Amino acid sequence: EDQVTQSPEALRLQEGESSSLNCSYTVSGLRGLFWYRQDPGKGPEFLFTLYSAGEEKEKERLKATLTKKESFLHITAPKPEDSATYLCAANLGSGGGADGLTFGKGTHLIIQP
Amino acid sequence: NAGVTQTPKFQVLKTGQSMTLQCAQDMNHNSMYWYRQDPGMGLRLIYYSASEGTTDKGEVPNGYNVSRLNKREFSLRLESAAPSQTSVYFCASREIQFSGNTIYFGEGSWLTVV
Repeated sequence: EDQVTQSPEALRLQEGESSSLNCSYTVSGLRGLFWYRQDPGKGPEFLFTLYSAGEEKEKERLKATLTKKESFLHITAPKPEDSATYLCAANLGSGGGADGLTFGKGTHLIIQP
Repeated sequence: NAGVTQTPKFQVLKTGQSMTLQCAQDMNHNSMYWYRQDPGMGLRLIYYSASEGTTDKGEVPNGYNVSRLNKREFSLRLESAAPSQTSVYFCASREIQFSGNTIYFGEGSWLTVV
């Protein structure tokens, strides 16, 4: 069965302490790996889409990378405002990409001042 | 969140009541989606619409119906609400570009069934 697994479930860091979040997937055919940020009481906010092993994308303190079996979201020198739940999702379907995303359960990240 | 609007934001229903969640996007996207989010379960796809006039079941469609009214609007209906449908519901739409896809989410609708 296709699935997406994120680890750790929760992560507490000190401000400035860099780390990485993991997203592993088991798929029959990956059509895109998505990262989102979700703040409490809000909808998911799009961060990145990755398509090919070896691909990398960056935005401010965040960098997403992709291998054949997993993706990492690297957070460099985080600030308290980076605290959020980070969601990973994969487009696994065969419906030409239009049939939605399969989400992991998320990593709850807390950055302490 | 860019251009996906959901109503209502909050709703309390009694078991057996019906209601419709409304969603509209102003980005001219073809594909639209309804997800539910529950603690410990992550986001799960209920229904999707690849284009105007088409709808398909997702992972958890039981107890729901959808209507793709036009290209902008995609509604989710609960015909006879059950406590198990207490959840946060998110509508989303998909942008397809040469450089790749982006899926945008609305702000969510909090539904409680008592």
